[in-house]
Amino acid sequence: SQKIEQNSEALNIQEGKTATLTCNYTNYSPAYLQWYRQDPGRGPVFLLLIRENEKEKRKERLKVTFDTTLKQSLFHITASQPADSATYLCALADLLNSGYSTLTFGKGTMLLVSP
Amino acid sequence: NAGVTQTPKFQVLKTGQSMTLQCAQDMNHNSMYWYRQDPGMGLRLIYYSASEGTTDKGEVPNGYNVSRLNKREFSLRLESAAPSQTSVYFCASSVWTGISNQPQHFGDGTRLSIL
Repeated sequence: SQKIEQNSEALNIQEGKTATLTCNYTNYSPAYLQWYRQDPGRGPVFLLLIRENEKEKRKERLKVTFDTTLKQSLFHITASQPADSATYLCALADLLNSGYSTLTFGKGTMLLVSP
Repeated sequence: NAGVTQTPKFQVLKTGQSMTLQCAQDMNHNSMYWYRQDPGMGLRLIYYSASEGTTDKGEVPNGYNVSRLNKREFSLRLESAAPSQTSVYFCASSVWTGISNQPQHFGDGTRLSIL
């Protein structure tokens, strides 16, 4: 069965360091992968999308890699700040026979950045 | 910019009661989605509507019905609520649910408790 794994344990880092979050998947051949941020009591907010033919994508302090051989995506936040503390979700696209594409989400990893 | 608006924000029901969760988006998006989020389970797709006039089942549709009222509005109905449906419900929308890889925009959720 298809499975998406994100580290269920919270990641604690100090301000200024680089945070690296992992998303592993099995039994998928996703066309693309998305990362979202979710704050307590709020809905997820889209951050970045990376396609299967892209190795790396950057946006300001954020960087995502996508290794379809390892079936893994890494999400990096450089120069982390306490305001980066949140839960980060990865999501993979399921291409349906209908031609539509829906997302399956991982359970998320909580990031805590301490001053 | 309102984005995706969900009502109500909180609701408590008794087992067997019925209820409709409302969702509206003002981004002229074609596709809309309903998810539920439970501790340790992550976001799971209940139903989606690729475009006005169409609806399809997601991963966990049992016990729910949906209506795509028009392009803006997508409602989720619980006909006979059960304690297992206690959850946080999120509505989302995207430009399209095809393989064009559009990100999803989420509302802030409805917190539903069923006693």
